[in-house]
Amino acid sequence: EVQLVESGGGLVQPGRSMKLSCAASGFTFSNYGMAWVRQAPTKGLEWVATISYDGSSTYYRDSVKGRFTISRDNAKSTLYLQMNSLRSEDTATYYCTREPHYFDYWGQGVMVTVSS
Amino acid sequence: DIVLTQSPALAVSLGQRATISCRASQSVSTSSYNLMHWYQQKPGEQPKLLIYDASNLASGIPVRFSGSGSGTDFTLTINPVQADDIATYYCQQSRELPITFGSGTKLEIK
Repeated sequence: EVQLVESGGGLVQPGRSMKLSCAASGFTFSNYGMAWVRQAPTKGLEWVATISYDGSSTYYRDSVKGRFTISRDNAKSTLYLQMNSLRSEDTATYYCTREPHYFDYWGQGVMVTVSS
Repeated sequence: DIVLTQSPALAVSLGQRATISCRASQSVSTSSYNLMHWYQQKPGEQPKLLIYDASNLASGIPVRFSGSGSGTDFTLTINPVQADDIATYYCQQSRELPITFGSGTKLEIK
């Protein structure tokens, strides 16, 4: 059974940093691209970033480019999202997803609140 | 960016057909694939993949869900609608970056 379990969320002040993790199991992690998708409270879904199966390629939406870094450790079957210079508009539930070019499995999500 | 337009809400009677549409601001099809996908999200839950590449049923999804379309116009059909289908439905394109989602259609019971 495919499982994606996020951790690392919480309350953070504007301008500070936070790192999310996603532990994957139930499939060969190193064979799949992975992504982060977020959802602000009462809003729709928004793609954040994607990383290729081997970590050699990364892609970001413009609003997080230069502030967020997606990475992976295939030996640990873990996906990461390093978020720097956080803004109030980054407040959202962040989902870890497996991405063959659609999002076929999703974690339960982790809430990130950016507020002073 | 490719903008995906969905109606905000749809009210349908139980046992009837629900048709949810998604229109893209430019084609999301290639010569081989229609790169439009559909998700269901219930309150307090993560989204679930229903349909990929416009018409392929995802694993474990009931056959009363189906998808169709190409180019810029796509449809998700639920037939017959059951009470458990009350949710918000999102379309998503992977034709080009940034990956974009529609704003969601909330399915309600009439």
